[in-house]
Amino acid sequence: EIVLTQSPATLSLSPGERATLSCRASQSVRSYLAWYQHKPGQAPRLLIYDASNRATGIPARFSGSGSGTDFTLTISSLEPEDFAVYYCQQRHSWPPLTFGGGTKVEI
Amino acid sequence: QLQLQESGPGLVKPSETLPLTCTVSGGSITSSSYYWAWIRQPPGKGLEWIATIYYTGTTYYNPSLRSRVTISVDTSKNHFSLKLSSVTAADTAVYYCAVHDYGGIFDYWGQGTLVTVSS
Repeated sequence: EIVLTQSPATLSLSPGERATLSCRASQSVRSYLAWYQHKPGQAPRLLIYDASNRATGIPARFSGSGSGTDFTLTISSLEPEDFAVYYCQQRHSWPPLTFGGGTKVEI
Repeated sequence: QLQLQESGPGLVKPSETLPLTCTVSGGSITSSSYYWAWIRQPPGKGLEWIATIYYTGTTYYNPSLRSRVTISVDTSKNHFSLKLSSVTAADTAVYYCAVHDYGGIFDYWGQGTLVTVSS
């Protein structure tokens, strides 16, 4: 099973600041990594797939990078609606599909 | 656009079986593009994939839960279901149904349903 480790667990920032979230895989997942945004009481939303491709309708302030075992999600300038929990997920080797533990971006 | 809605008991007793159903609207469960999945999130924890089924009946399970999980599909009702047996308090979670493509990217999710295991 591929284990994904996200850091930091919590990121405390202000609107307008840049957010940098990390996801590290226990073995290479090539570029088969996705990022999701999850707000309380809502369904998770796909942001980025295959490491760097924005999903339909996702603003350009969200960007993803990395390959192999180290990945980054960057939010260039935080908007109030961006404060949420972010999860990475690998699809390189499944079953099982696995998620990281999440990073909470808080004000 | 696909919409998914989970339904099931909010409370289950320890050792019993948890049944959940996901009703699909806005599309057919027999679409060749989609794989139908269950994911859960225990309180204060991250997301855990449970199982996936294709409309033909092909199934994929998380090895950590395989012995207790059954996923099935009912094409006549356009829904799919999950049964988790011998539940304990550790199975208390918000359960989501979701859709992913062949590659494993989750495109659509339900809103989730909270299931509490308690006597």
